[in-house]
Amino acid sequence: NAGVTQTPKFQVLKTGQSMTLQCAQDMNHEYMSWYRQDPGMGLRLIHYSVGAGITDQGEVPNGYNVSRSTTEDFPLRLLSAAPSQTSVYFCASSYRTGTQPQHFGDGTRLSIL
Amino acid sequence: KQEVTQIPAALSVPEGENLVLNCSFTDSAIYNLQWFRQDPGKGLTSLLLIQSSQREQTSGRLNASLDKSSGRSTLYIAASQPGDSATYLCAVSNFGNEKLTFGTGTRLTIIP
Repeated sequence: NAGVTQTPKFQVLKTGQSMTLQCAQDMNHEYMSWYRQDPGMGLRLIHYSVGAGITDQGEVPNGYNVSRSTTEDFPLRLLSAAPSQTSVYFCASSYRTGTQPQHFGDGTRLSIL
Repeated sequence: KQEVTQIPAALSVPEGENLVLNCSFTDSAIYNLQWFRQDPGKGLTSLLLIQSSQREQTSGRLNASLDKSSGRSTLYIAASQPGDSATYLCAVSNFGNEKLTFGTGTRLTIIP
C-alpha cells in the first residue's frame, strides 16, 4: 500500500520559473490538501479538494494553482516561482468523515533562487 | 480564526521518564483533534485522533486527552525511549476532517 506519494522530493528553481508538484494517493480518499511548512510557522493550508472536480482555497493560496481531475491525483502548480515560496510542501489525504486521521506524503523540499 | 499553540517549543528528558506535551486552541467548536509525529526530513505520521465527543484516546504508551471547554489537549508519553525523539504536532479541525489548523510543534529529545 503506497499511501500518499509526492514527487519530486527535492527541487531547485529560479525566480519566475513554473513547475508542478505531484501528489497521488491510492486509498480512494475524497479529501486531499496541500500544506507548506516554514520554520516557526507550522503547517499552513494552501488549497484543498473534497472530491474530483472540486477545489477551494486555504489560508495561503496566492501564487499556487490546483486541479482535481481524478480521485487519485492532486497536483500543485507554481505559476511564477518567487523566493518567498521556498518551503517544504506536504500533500495529505483522508476520508471526509473526520473519524480517520489524515495521511501525509514525505514532502517536497523546494528552493527558489 | 482558530489558533493552535504548543508549549514548550522544545523539551529534553532522560530516558524512562513519563512526560506530557501540551496543546491549546482558541475556538472550542472543533470537530476533531489530531496528534502527529514528524521525524527530521520526513512527513507527518498520525499518532492519535480524538473526536469532539471523546475525552481521550490511547495507543500503546501514548494517551491523548481533550478538554474542549478549556481549549486544551495533552499528549502523555509513558516510559520514554530514545526512539520517541521527534517533533510532535497538534492539529484541530473545525469542520469534518478538513482544513486542519496546526500548532508549531514541540521538539522532543529523549536523552539515553
